[in-house]
Amino acid sequence: DVKVTQSSRYLVKRTGEKVFLECVQDMDHENMFWYRQDPGLGLRLIYFSYDVKMKEKGDIPEGYSVSREKKERFSLILESASTNQTSMYLCASLVGQGMNTEAFFGQGTRLTVV
Amino acid sequence: AQKITQTQPGMFVQEKEAVTLDCTYDTSDPSYGLFWYKQPSSGEMIFLIYQGSYDQQNATEGRYSLNFQKARKSANLVISASQLGDSAMYFCAMREAHNDMRFGAGTRLTVKP
Repeated sequence: DVKVTQSSRYLVKRTGEKVFLECVQDMDHENMFWYRQDPGLGLRLIYFSYDVKMKEKGDIPEGYSVSREKKERFSLILESASTNQTSMYLCASLVGQGMNTEAFFGQGTRLTVV
Repeated sequence: AQKITQTQPGMFVQEKEAVTLDCTYDTSDPSYGLFWYKQPSSGEMIFLIYQGSYDQQNATEGRYSLNFQKARKSANLVISASQLGDSAMYFCAMREAHNDMRFGAGTRLTVKP
């Protein structure tokens, strides 16, 4: 089974802290994504990466950056955490095309910024 | 601009009845795929059904079917014979020819006994 593992299930950080959310997948998937999930807004794409060292902004990249130094690891960085970044963060990896597309999600990290 | 629109924040359905969850999308790409995912209270994302833009027939998977109306850019999910275990959040998603995947705001379905 493909696994996507997020480093923490729950995280509490202080305003202004630099926060790292880690995501690791155990298959050779090229495409990896970071979303945040908020009630009434669904999953919003923050950043995605289609290869090592490649990254693309999603719909809400402000306040975030990403790092993809190795194929299996895609890190989301909150440069200076703010309370409006309190949310559920979901990492996903994607493989295949068309009807063979499969998306695998991590268990999510619920981040609270106080 | 919002690419995926789910206009029903919440829906109720009686057990054993059918229910339709709406999804409209916006793209100028001729090649795209549409997906539906279920997210129960446990938080996992469960893939339900896929429809490709070039598929001639509507997709079906067991009790799930997708009512694909390409000209109207809609991809509604139909769940037949609802069960209590169908109570969950449902997300519509689209993947265009480039590599990203975007989701709608979701619909919370509650199945009443």
